[in-house]
Amino acid sequence: EAGVAQSPRYKIIEKRQSVAFWCNPISGHATLYWYQQILGQGPKLLIQFQNNGVVDDSQLPKDRFSAERLKGVDSTLKIQPAKLEDSAVYLCASSSHYEQYFGPGTRLTVT
Amino acid sequence: QKEVEQNSGPLSVPEGAIASLNCTYSDRGSQSFFWYRQYSGKSPELIMSIYSNGDKEDGRFTAQLNKASQYVSLLIRDSQPSDSATYLCAVRDTGNQFYFGTGTSLTVIP
Repeated sequence: EAGVAQSPRYKIIEKRQSVAFWCNPISGHATLYWYQQILGQGPKLLIQFQNNGVVDDSQLPKDRFSAERLKGVDSTLKIQPAKLEDSAVYLCASSSHYEQYFGPGTRLTVT
Repeated sequence: QKEVEQNSGPLSVPEGAIASLNCTYSDRGSQSFFWYRQYSGKSPELIMSIYSNGDKEDGRFTAQLNKASQYVSLLIRDSQPSDSATYLCAVRDTGNQFYFGTGTSLTVIP
């Protein structure tokens, strides 16, 4: 069974630029999550999708972050414009009923 | 706010010893509990899940759950240098949302 796929793996941008991340969940997993992980901290939920609907986006900075999950499968997370404090690892995860599995993550550096 | 707390460590144990990692959670209604291992520069990897009170063993790993005390632990027997990593405790609520602790850094000394 293929795992959660993410791209790109690394991205370096300047502040005020935009960036987009892509995620393909494990086949059949209805729930998809985007997390932000800052060094030394646990993953922080940004947004949770159930199929193509948003379940929780209360911690998503909506003035600069957006996410969508078209057709209930792939998802994209966008940041526009980026700030220095957005430097972090962005993790995508998916789950069926019980367990959650992470993709490899995208390491974003904003200079 | 649902919280998951772990000692950040670092925890150091000699090779072959038992490593004990602890976690407490605030939401008494939580039903599912997980331990993830995260190597430096890598994403979290699921290593144990536990859903009912008591112990669950998988190889060298044992997860322990006490819902009355809102406490979860992970024991690693015969610790190996390859076990050196950060261990994240996670709790899933009824809305299928996961809450993570900040992780405990474990170093196994050869």
